[in-house]
Amino acid sequence: EDQVTQSPEALRLQEGESSSLNCSYTVSGLRGLFWYRQDPGKGPEFLFTLYSAGEEKEKERLKATLTKKESFLHITAPKPEDSATYLCAVQALGSQGNLIFGKGTKLSVKP
Amino acid sequence: DTEVTQTPKHLVMGMTNKKSLKCEQHMGHRAMYWYKQKAKKPPELMFVYSYEKLSINESVPSRFSPECPNSSLLNLHLHALQPEDSALYLCASSQGPGLNTEAFFGQGTRLTVV
Repeated sequence: EDQVTQSPEALRLQEGESSSLNCSYTVSGLRGLFWYRQDPGKGPEFLFTLYSAGEEKEKERLKATLTKKESFLHITAPKPEDSATYLCAVQALGSQGNLIFGKGTKLSVKP
Repeated sequence: DTEVTQTPKHLVMGMTNKKSLKCEQHMGHRAMYWYKQKAKKPPELMFVYSYEKLSINESVPSRFSPECPNSSLLNLHLHALQPEDSALYLCASSQGPGLNTEAFFGQGTRLTVV
């Protein structure tokens, strides 16, 4: 069964304190791994797509990496506005494009 | 333009009411999705429309009825819902099934069933 596990469930950082979020996945065949940011009561906002092991993507203070078993979202020198829930999702080969989500990591950045 | 528009933003309905949620995208995408998200839980797939045809129905109760009038529009008709159906309903679209592309989500409809 395809599965996505994110850790930690919650992460509290001081402004400027860098850290990483983890996403472990089990999928019969990976078409793509996606990172989204979700603010309370809003829809998920697309951040990155990763397709193959070794791939890396960057956007401002965020950097996503992918191995054959997991992905990391590195946050460098976070700011309070980075506070949100970060969702990881996989899309399996042969699927109709639907996403299987992890439970997310709720990030809080204090000034 | 990576926008998916959902209306209404909020909806309160009784268990005997009939209502519809609407979703629109103008990105030329050929796959559209409905997800349901309960509080502090990840989104869960309900329906997938591919080229305006229903291709996945994840065993969703018949009180939810999807409709895809054309490639830009997706509706979700609601009838005789239960309080446990209260949730954030999310619409998403992508270029097409089987393609290596990301899905873009709307802002959701917050549904409360009383």
